[in-house]
Amino acid sequence: EVQLVESGGGLIQPGGSLRLSCAASGFTVSSNYMSWVRQAPGKGLEWVSVIYSGGSTYYADSVKGRFTISRDNSKNTLYLQMNSLRAEDTAVYYCARGQLWPNYWGQGTLVTVSS
Amino acid sequence: DIQMTQSPSSVSASVGDRVTITCRASQGISSWLAWYQQKPGKAPKLLIYAASSLQSGVPSRFSGSGSGTDFTLTISSLQPEDFATYYCQQANSFPMLTFGGGTKVEIK
Repeated sequence: EVQLVESGGGLIQPGGSLRLSCAASGFTVSSNYMSWVRQAPGKGLEWVSVIYSGGSTYYADSVKGRFTISRDNSKNTLYLQMNSLRAEDTAVYYCARGQLWPNYWGQGTLVTVSS
Repeated sequence: DIQMTQSPSSVSASVGDRVTITCRASQGISSWLAWYQQKPGKAPKLLIYAASSLQSGVPSRFSGSGSGTDFTLTISSLQPEDFATYYCQQANSFPMLTFGGGTKVEIK
């Protein structure tokens, strides 16, 4: 059974850093396109980043230069390193598997950026 | 950037009603469109991909149509478990994916 479990969210001050993790089971992260999608409280969905099976990475303009997506093949885990966090980064962050239309999603982890 | 506009933003309907949600792209996206259902506190669930293909396990009362810039999600007979928020998502500009603003289907 495919499972994605995010962790690492919490309350962080503006300008701070946080690393989110997404532990996968039932499939191999490195063989799949893996994305991060976020949802601000009461708002819609926003694509954040993707890592291809081949290792290429892409980012939304809103996070480019501040966020880094990566994976640890030995742990079958996806990561999102978030630096220089801003209030507008407050959201539930979901990891998701799939290329054009992600069809497996984790339960999400809440990141709150506030002083 | 491709913008996705959904309408209406909310709709009130009764069990058994036919519900139609529209999604318009700011430029042509062929059939590179998906629909998701999201319930409060839960992750989105893929319903339709490639504009009209039903994801495995999704009830046949859900259907999608359209191509180019105009797309429709139809629920033929609304069931109690269908009350949720629905999002469209374009994949024409993959890897940059864009979602619509959402349509909340509420109980009348």
